[in-house]
Amino acid sequence: QVQLVQSGAEVKEPGASVKISCKASGYTLTSYHIHWVRQAPGQGFEWMGAIKNPRGDTTDYARKFQDRVSMTRDTSTSTVFMELSSLKSEDTAVYFCAREFPESHYFDHWGQGALVTVSS
Amino acid sequence: QSVLTQPPSASGTPGQRVTISCSGSSSNIGARIVNWYQQVPGTAPKLLIYNNSYRPSGVPDRFSGSKSGTSASLAITGLQSEDEAEYFCATWDESLNAYVFGAGTEVTVL
Repeated sequence: QVQLVQSGAEVKEPGASVKISCKASGYTLTSYHIHWVRQAPGQGFEWMGAIKNPRGDTTDYARKFQDRVSMTRDTSTSTVFMELSSLKSEDTAVYFCAREFPESHYFDHWGQGALVTVSS
Repeated sequence: QSVLTQPPSASGTPGQRVTISCSGSSSNIGARIVNWYQQVPGTAPKLLIYNNSYRPSGVPDRFSGSKSGTSASLAITGLQSEDEAEYFCATWDESLNAYVFGAGTEVTVL
């Protein structure tokens, strides 16, 4: 069955970077886009961007994160990565990866989420 | 502040019908399809309705979605205790060039 399994919780200091992984199984990674969405404590969802497959070198970042987010993939391990730099306390959130069939505009499977806590 | 507006809460007794609204604008709901997600606290969201009104395999038919103009709605008929969760609407916003979500509606079964 389709699964997206994310890496574990992270605690980072302000100014540091975090890199979260999302390992796909049960389908061909390159057939779907992978999006990243975050949810701050008690808040709604915020879209961060996507890495588009099969054009895996194509990314689409939300303007808010454009300067400090990077999304990459490793097809040999069916894993997508999201790195966020210059972390601030406001970046404390659960980060989800989610799958989209190209141009379907909906996310049919989600990872379990990874809590990132930014604190000094 | 979410781009899509949802009521913060809704409730009903078992068997009742509950409707959740999602209000947007011409650059998002008015121009694009709407999707709905269900999230039980502490878990990942689950796709509930896609393309305004379609249910993925496995979603009970007591869930239905509709869209008109710049608004969409999710209806739950025959409310059950396991429907207690938070429900989010979502779509693409052409002005923001971003996928946008409502703030969520918490459904309580009384």
